[in-house]
Amino acid sequence: DAGITQSPRHKVTETGTPVTLRCHQTENHRYMYWYRQDPGHGLRLIHYSYGVKDTDKGEVSDGYSVSRSKTEDFLLTLESATSSQTSVYFCAISESGRGSPGPQHFGDGTRLSIL
Amino acid sequence: AQSVTQPDIHITVSEGASLELRCNYSYGATPYLFWYVQSPGQGLQLLLKYFSGDTLVQGIKGFEAEFKRSQSSFNLRKPSVHWSDAAEYFCAVNDYKLSFGAGTTVTVRA
Repeated sequence: DAGITQSPRHKVTETGTPVTLRCHQTENHRYMYWYRQDPGHGLRLIHYSYGVKDTDKGEVSDGYSVSRSKTEDFLLTLESATSSQTSVYFCAISESGRGSPGPQHFGDGTRLSIL
Repeated sequence: AQSVTQPDIHITVSEGASLELRCNYSYGATPYLFWYVQSPGQGLQLLLKYFSGDTLVQGIKGFEAEFKRSQSSFNLRKPSVHWSDAAEYFCAVNDYKLSFGAGTTVTVRA
């Protein structure tokens, strides 16, 4: 299995508080992704990174920011959490990105509840 | 824009019976297609992928999928289902990101 660690695995917090989720990889892959999974929607891309300090928005990026200061770490931040951001968050990594095929390997997810 | 449709939300199948999960995609160019499986509380595991060439691809756990360009489909099959195949299955198409279908939940009855 690809070396992907997400932390924390579970978190409960209150509306309006900031939250940061961490994704750490040991594969030295260039591309990293954050998805959220909600019933009936499959997985939807929040943000992705194609290198250190290089990030871009996905389809559901409002209310989220990301940072990547090292190849191995990709952080997802909810600046002011809302109940609509209650979800399961998955990090994924890939050797390849746009224009070339490359299956993504997934972490085990972070279950985030915002009360 | 690329998109994926999985028409079946939930399928129940008897152990030992065959299984087919449907996937239809919309994509302007040659698609890169994937099937993933997710067990409860786990991340997604890649079952198989199609990039080009032979339209029948073999994957792990005894699964196979057939790419049919004329029907824009990439259906997943398994000849004989085991109880451990109970899970949620996702079809996806890749450009710079994976676009996922909403998933099909498979229940296996004894």
